[in-house]
Amino acid sequence: DTAVSQTPKYLVTQMGNDKSIKCEQNLGHDTMYWYKQDSKKFLKIMFSYNNKELIINETVPNRFSPKSPDKAHLNLHINSLELGDSAVYFCASGDRGSNQPQHFGDGTRLSIL
Amino acid sequence: GNSVTQMEGPVTLSEEAFLTINCTYTATGYPSLFWYVQYPGEGLQLLLKATKADDKGSNKGFEATYRKETTSFHLEKGSVQVSDSAVYFCALSNIQGAQKLVFGQGTRLTINP
Repeated sequence: DTAVSQTPKYLVTQMGNDKSIKCEQNLGHDTMYWYKQDSKKFLKIMFSYNNKELIINETVPNRFSPKSPDKAHLNLHINSLELGDSAVYFCASGDRGSNQPQHFGDGTRLSIL
Repeated sequence: GNSVTQMEGPVTLSEEAFLTINCTYTATGYPSLFWYVQYPGEGLQLLLKATKADDKGSNKGFEATYRKETTSFHLEKGSVQVSDSAVYFCALSNIQGAQKLVFGQGTRLTINP
């Protein structure tokens, strides 16, 4: 049973297109996150939702819009894709107020042609 | 703000060598500290954690001790194997607030037979 699952695993698309990445967790956690890993492997937080409420919104272009229909799902929609959006996007989940670690999905590798 | 600094890689060792990857942090309050590992082509996995000063996290022969006086969380292993080749990330999160993970830049480790 996959704890945090992301789809798709790979996404290859052209500049200017709109795409979505989906994430689901079955751990019963109340908080979900999106992280971006760039080509140098650096990982940085993008967004976080706690019980469907946005609690972290880092300096990310507003072409990126997260949506959380319920606490087990967090999707990421990206409009007008640019070359610089090429990266691996990781979803994670955890419990806010707990010192337990976050659990990560396997990542979605986004390549912009 | 919070930050994590890891020793720069890449690190290349022979099998059965002793490993140390240095990690120091800057944080307000009392963060939890983590080491995550990313094997080639895979997502992030928690390797070990420590939630308070002087705690020692350990897993798969790896160890790290939370040193508040030196703000460090160095990763060690007494005898590395080829299968330990991966990218290692030191990270922290604060139990207060939204608990985003702040990562170091990652250290790529290659073990040669």
